[in-house]
Amino acid sequence: DTGVSQDPRHKITKRGQNVTFRCDPISEHNRLYWYRQTLGQGPEFLTYFQNEAQLEKSRLLSDRFSAERPKGSFSTLEIQRTEQGDSAMYLCASSYPPEGGELFFGEGSRLTVL
Amino acid sequence: EDQVTQSPEALRLQEGESSSLNCSYTVSGLRGLFWYRQDPGKGPEFLFTLYSAGEEKEKERLKATLTKKESFLHITAPKPEDSATYLCAVQANEYSGAGSYQLTFGKGTKLSVIP
Repeated sequence: DTGVSQDPRHKITKRGQNVTFRCDPISEHNRLYWYRQTLGQGPEFLTYFQNEAQLEKSRLLSDRFSAERPKGSFSTLEIQRTEQGDSAMYLCASSYPPEGGELFFGEGSRLTVL
Repeated sequence: EDQVTQSPEALRLQEGESSSLNCSYTVSGLRGLFWYRQDPGKGPEFLFTLYSAGEEKEKERLKATLTKKESFLHITAPKPEDSATYLCAVQANEYSGAGSYQLTFGKGTKLSVIP
């Protein structure tokens, strides 16, 4: 068990470009979450998958954000037409029922939009 | 809307100087309250889950307690390796109307333990 893996760890992009992040959860975990964290703030929920189904999505999530989890394994988070306000750490986490709040986080993907 | 407020924002302790971190929360129906530790540049690491008022959990120099309105993380005789940001989060139950799988985090308390 190597833990939750995220790629890339760092991404610098120009405003208006699209970016995609990948998350590989712990293999036996069927729950996968995406959070966003900016400097000095706690993580903010973005979306949640149980197996391949996206069951929850933050009301604050822009239409420019989309997430997938094909076949219930790895997940991708895509941000289209990036804006400077999208600069943040994007954290992926996984868990296994019944421990709904005990999340195992990856080390995050840091996005800088110039 | 669920809210979590942590205090103080930053805390500086001498090694061995015990103290407590506070987490005040507002949630329509509490499923659980969670404490995480986050080191710089890393993802949060799970510490404790508390489900009901009066519950306590301990791990090494850390003890977490819960009341109906707040939680405390007590740190006894801290060491420099305890330096980190400590995050508190709540999860609402399925009757709250909000998503029941998301955690609402506070901004954290940055703890520095000086040798």
